[in-house]
Amino acid sequence: SQKIEQNSEALNIQEGKTATLTCNYTNYSPAYLQWYRQDPGRGPVFLLLIRENEKEKRKERLKVTFDTTLKQSLFHITASQPADSATYLCALDDAGGFKTIFGAGTRLFVKA
Amino acid sequence: SQTIHQWPATLVQPVGSPLSLECTVEGTSNPNLYWYRQAAGRGLQLLFYSVGIGQISSEVPQNLSASRPQDRQFILSSKKLLLSDSGFYLCAWDQGREQPQHFGDGTRLSIL
Repeated sequence: SQKIEQNSEALNIQEGKTATLTCNYTNYSPAYLQWYRQDPGRGPVFLLLIRENEKEKRKERLKVTFDTTLKQSLFHITASQPADSATYLCALDDAGGFKTIFGAGTRLFVKA
Repeated sequence: SQTIHQWPATLVQPVGSPLSLECTVEGTSNPNLYWYRQAAGRGLQLLFYSVGIGQISSEVPQNLSASRPQDRQFILSSKKLLLSDSGFYLCAWDQGREQPQHFGDGTRLSIL
């Protein structure tokens, strides 16, 4: 079955730097991959979706890449701010079904 | 605009008591609806999903059940709660594949 691996260790970076988060999957390549942000005690909020035929997607300070050869997606936040501190979840489809499989997320701390 | 409401926000229940968590969606019709549980530091575990009124698919065998009595209403229930039912319960909706999921703010359930 498909498994998603996100770094369980928190990422600490300085304000203004670029944060890079990694999402690896183990089995089939999904048709698309999504990234969500989750703040403590809140539900996840959708950020970006990238399809298997897209190598890169950008939205403001966010950039997502999708490498089906490496079975990996990278999520970048440029010019990071303390307000970007949150947990970021990677999610992908289950090969044609209704389900979306979510990773456990990586906690990001941006220090002022 | 679409909104999703989940209540209550927190709930403390004794072992063996019943449970009813409600989720309603506004501003969209015929959404796919989902119930997830999130343990601390873990990914979202899909419990139930529904593609229409009265149509419920269960992903994890357990003492929980779900119902969809109306198009935009999704209810999670239990007749007798177990200690292992503690967790953060999230309701979500989407409009199909390759569409982002929109989450409620969750219910923190503690079983004593």
